[in-house]
Amino acid sequence: GAGVSQSPSNKVTEKGKDVELRCDPISGHTALYWYRQSLGQGLEFLIYFQGNSAPDKSGLPSDRFSAERTGGSVSTLTIQRTQQEDSAVYLCASSYPGGYAEAFFGQGTRLTVV
Amino acid sequence: TQLLEQSPQFLSIQEGENLTVYCNSSSVFSSLQWYRQEPGEGPVLLVTVVTGGEVKKLKRLTFQFGDARKDSSLHITAAQPGDTGLYLCAGAAGANNLFFGTGTRLTVIP
Repeated sequence: GAGVSQSPSNKVTEKGKDVELRCDPISGHTALYWYRQSLGQGLEFLIYFQGNSAPDKSGLPSDRFSAERTGGSVSTLTIQRTQQEDSAVYLCASSYPGGYAEAFFGQGTRLTVV
Repeated sequence: TQLLEQSPQFLSIQEGENLTVYCNSSSVFSSLQWYRQEPGEGPVLLVTVVTGGEVKKLKRLTFQFGDARKDSSLHITAAQPGDTGLYLCAGAAGANNLFFGTGTRLTVIP
C-alpha cells in the first residue's frame, strides 16, 4: 500500500475485554514496530519484528500484551483483560531493509478503556 | 532498552526566535533520526544522521550528530507557527531496532 495502515482508528472498550489492533505495513518493509503514546507524552517502545520473528519484545508491559506478525506483513497487537491504564494511542511503524531503520508511521489507534 | 533524554521537555517561544533541542544518551547509535509529530498524526521523519560530527540542514532546521554518536541537537532559526509540534529524536541500534526520545513539545506563538 501507499502507507502504513492501522485499524481501527478508534476503539472504545469496557474494562476486562480483549482488543485486537491491526497494522498493515508498507509493502516490502521487513521491520515493524509497535509503540504506545499516552496523552502529550513521547513514544513507549513495545515490540519490534524483523520478518515474522520478534527479536525484541522487551517493551511489552505485561503478559496481557502480545503481538504476532504473519507472512512478513500484517501484525496484530492483542491486549487481554484491558485495564484503564491501557488507554493510549497505539502507533505502528515499518522500515525498509538495508536502510537506517527510518520509520514510516500509521496514524495510530486511539484506545479508550472505560 | 536504550534511553534517549530530550531537553527541554516543553518550549514556548515567539515567532522569529531561535531555539535548540537536545537529545542525549549514554548509548552509541548507528544512526539517529529526528521526527515531528502533529496532533492526531503519526510522527514524520525529518532527517537521518549517521556519521559522528555530521551536520545536516533542512531549510531553517540544522541537525547535528555528536562526535561519539551518542547525542544530537536540532536548531531552528527564526521559528514559525508551522514549526509547532512534538519533536522526537530516535536512535537505531543493533539489527535496526529503533528507540525514541522523551520528546520536546514546541509551541511557536504568532
